[in-house]
Amino acid sequence: SYELTQPPSVSVSPGQVARITCSGDALPKKYAYWYQQKSGQAPVLVIYDDSKRPSGIAERFSGSSSGTRATLTITGAQMEDEADYYCYSTDISGDYRVFGGGTRLTVL
Amino acid sequence: EVQLVESGGQLVQPGTSLRLSCVASGFTFGDFTMHWVRQPPGKGLEWVSYISWNSGKTGYADSVKGRFTVSRDNAKNSLFLRMDSLRPDDTAFYYCAKGSESGPEFDHWGQGTLVTVSS
Repeated sequence: SYELTQPPSVSVSPGQVARITCSGDALPKKYAYWYQQKSGQAPVLVIYDDSKRPSGIAERFSGSSSGTRATLTITGAQMEDEADYYCYSTDISGDYRVFGGGTRLTVL
Repeated sequence: EVQLVESGGQLVQPGTSLRLSCVASGFTFGDFTMHWVRQPPGKGLEWVSYISWNSGKTGYADSVKGRFTVSRDNAKNSLFLRMDSLRPDDTAFYYCAKGSESGPEFDHWGQGTLVTVSS
């Protein structure tokens, strides 16, 4: 199997920069994806292919990847960004999919 | 508008079987890989299984391999998950998810159906 590792929680004040990391051995060769899940709702894709933003996702969301670590950055976090964030990728074969354990973002 | 509607979740006893269904609309179902993802109440997401557009390829998480079987019926825009030898740790919301056009990710999700495995 394969694992992606995220910090359990990140806390920032409104307007600050929030960074959520995701570590995995295959990330140098495989893209990372990021999902936002608010309480009681289905997840929403906020970043794909390491750094691309789907249409309709706010510009304050950005992604990057270097070596075995991918990072989701929220520049100017807002109260509405409070949610659980999950990274997602595949193992080196591309066939086995996996989510990170999730990071709860608190904005207060 | 893409819609994915899951059904079949219920309370079952350990060791029994269950079949989940997902009916899709709003896109050409037969063109896309489909996935099942689950989430135990209050816990994180876990990818469960995928099936390619023509059922030629399937994949499973280690935790369900040999017990769960994914299938699809493109004529009926439907995705299925047969779950055998259910265990209490299979208790979760099960989501049907549509694969993207070019990558391994999912771009649309259903609202989920709850499977509870308990005696």
